[in-house]
This record gives sequence, C-alpha cells and structure tokens, in this order.
Amino acid sequence: DVQVTQSPSSLSASVGDSVTITCRASQSIISNVNWYRQKPGKAPELLIYSASRLQSGVPSRFSGSASGTDSTLTISSLQLEDFATYYCQQSYSTPWTFGQGTRVEIK
Amino acid sequence: QLQLQESGSGLVKPSQTLSLTCAVSGGSISSGGYSWNWIRQAPGQGLEWIGYIYNGGRTDYNPSLKGRVSISEDRSKSQISLTLRSVTAADTAVYFCARLNELGTYWYFDVWGRGTLVTVSS
Repeated sequence: DVQVTQSPSSLSASVGDSVTITCRASQSIISNVNWYRQKPGKAPELLIYSASRLQSGVPSRFSGSASGTDSTLTISSLQLEDFATYYCQQSYSTPWTFGQGTRVEIK
Repeated sequence: QLQLQESGSGLVKPSQTLSLTCAVSGGSISSGGYSWNWIRQAPGQGLEWIGYIYNGGRTDYNPSLKGRVSISEDRSKSQISLTLRSVTAADTAVYFCARLNELGTYWYFDVWGRGTLVTVSS
C-alpha cells in the first residue's frame, strides 16, 4: 500500500494568514494526489486534484504543488470557512489512502 | 446536479452484518468514467477507503477489511450497496458514499454523500 504522511497534525492561524500543509508518500506517486477540506459534521469536499489543479468553484486562495514524494497545499489568505480539517489522498494505486488530517484552528 | 444519499441500519450488534445503501440521483451509475466508492470515518479519526464498484460490476476492496466486505449495484434503482460482515466496535463510523472521477489521467473523489453514522453495540 502507498502510505501518506501528513504534517502538521494541527496548526493555529489567524484570518488572512497563509498556511501550508505537507503530504509525503511512501513512494513516488507522480502527481496523483488530491486535497480535501472537511468541516465539522460534513462530508469532505474536493479542493485540489492532480496535485495542483483547482476544482471548479474552489477559490483561488487554494493552491497545490508536488515535487518527488512530497505534495503541499497552500491557503494564501485564510477565511473563516477555512478553519477545518484538511486531508491529502493518493490516487496512484488501490487501496486509495488518505493522510491523517491537518486541523486548522483559529489562533 | 448529482447527489448521493446514504441510508441503512444505524445500530448493529457485534458479529452481525452492516448493510447500507447509497441512492444516486441527478445522474446515472452506468455512466462511463466513474466508480462508486464507500469510505468511512471512525469518530474523531481520519478517512479510510473501503472499496468500490466500477465498469459494470467489477469491485476492488481494501485488504484491511479481510474479506468481510462486499459492494454491489442495482442499476434499476440507481443504488450502490455496502455489506460488512462480522462487525465489531471498531467498525463504528460515519460511512460515506463517494464518486471517483476517472475521466482523465488523474482520479479524484468529486461528489460525496452526507454520510451516515453506524454504531456497533449490543
């Protein structure tokens, strides 16, 4: 199985801050990584697919990149609705696996 | 707009069978380029992929579930079903139905149901 390790597990930030979350795969997965945001009590929602492609309707403050086995999600200017938990997911091979999640909290 | 709605038994006794259904509306489960997945999330935990059905009935499952799981489809009802046998408390989770978009080179879960909580308890 491809393991994905996400960091940090949590972070505190203020509205307007820029934050970065990292996901490291146990092997090269090229650009087969997706990012989701999950608000409390809700289903995850797709933000970024193929490492850097913005899902339709998602604000441009979200961006992604990948290099080697590492992928990053950057939120350039945090809004109130962005205080949530974020997950990366590899779509390179089954079983599809998710990172452990990063909880973004209000400072 | 495609919508997914999970339903089924909210309380299951240990060693029994969990059965859930995902009703798909606003689109067809027969459409090429998509697979239909089950994903779960234990309370306060992360996401775990359970398995999927695709391409007219082919299935693939997470080996971690050790042969306890099966997924099927009913095209006439536009439904996807999940069966998980011999459940324990560790199977307590919110179960999500999700569509995997396979239209391009890169695949991703683009539509999710709201999820349904299943509690395993005597």
